[in-house]
Amino acid sequence: GEDVEQSLFLSVREGDSSVINCTYTDSSSTYLYWYKQEPGAGLQLLTYIFSNMDMKQDQRLTVLLNKKDKHLSLRIADTQTGDSAIYFCAERIGGYQKVTFGTGTKLQVIP
Amino acid sequence: EAGVTQFPSHSVIEKGQTVTLRCDPISGHDNLYWYRRVMGKEIKFLLHFVKESKQDESGMPNNRFLAERTGGTYSTLKVQPAELEDSGVYFCASSQDSAGELFFGEGSRLTVL
Repeated sequence: GEDVEQSLFLSVREGDSSVINCTYTDSSSTYLYWYKQEPGAGLQLLTYIFSNMDMKQDQRLTVLLNKKDKHLSLRIADTQTGDSAIYFCAERIGGYQKVTFGTGTKLQVIP
Repeated sequence: EAGVTQFPSHSVIEKGQTVTLRCDPISGHDNLYWYRRVMGKEIKFLLHFVKESKQDESGMPNNRFLAERTGGTYSTLKVQPAELEDSGVYFCASSQDSAGELFFGEGSRLTVL
């Protein structure tokens, strides 16, 4: 299957941590991605993780991958108002660039 | 260097009319992709060009949708005749090679009344 599921909405206070979750169904995924879409803008690749990794950290971002449960999460530390956007989880299967996206999670940061 | 550009940014048409969306990929990118997001749902793959050839068009919804990439540069996506369920945001992306990072345009919002 190729379904990638995310919760639709998350609200956090500025300075708190945000955790956005995603579940996918295809165990043969090779790469898993997080994309960010700010209002009126296109999709921007935020970070990605290889399927043979459990965790990846990049400044305020931490990606955790649980292959057994097919669960991917994105943690944003010290969330800022500029982090308000829609975050899409996505998976790529094999070496071919057909990427399957989730529904997107809208993150609202309250000042 | 210019990114992926799409035109128009928003189009409002009536059911039964025709609309053509255009995508200009990043110069030198052989791979061009079309995706669509229907309101509140996931972003779905439509098709993939390598230069002027259709590599994969398995995501095209039906024969009312026609994508072209003559000359292997810009691409057009025509919807004819448009139906209400075609409303959504159509994203174009390009990459230098098939395993490279996808660069997305801002999307073309289509509203069918």
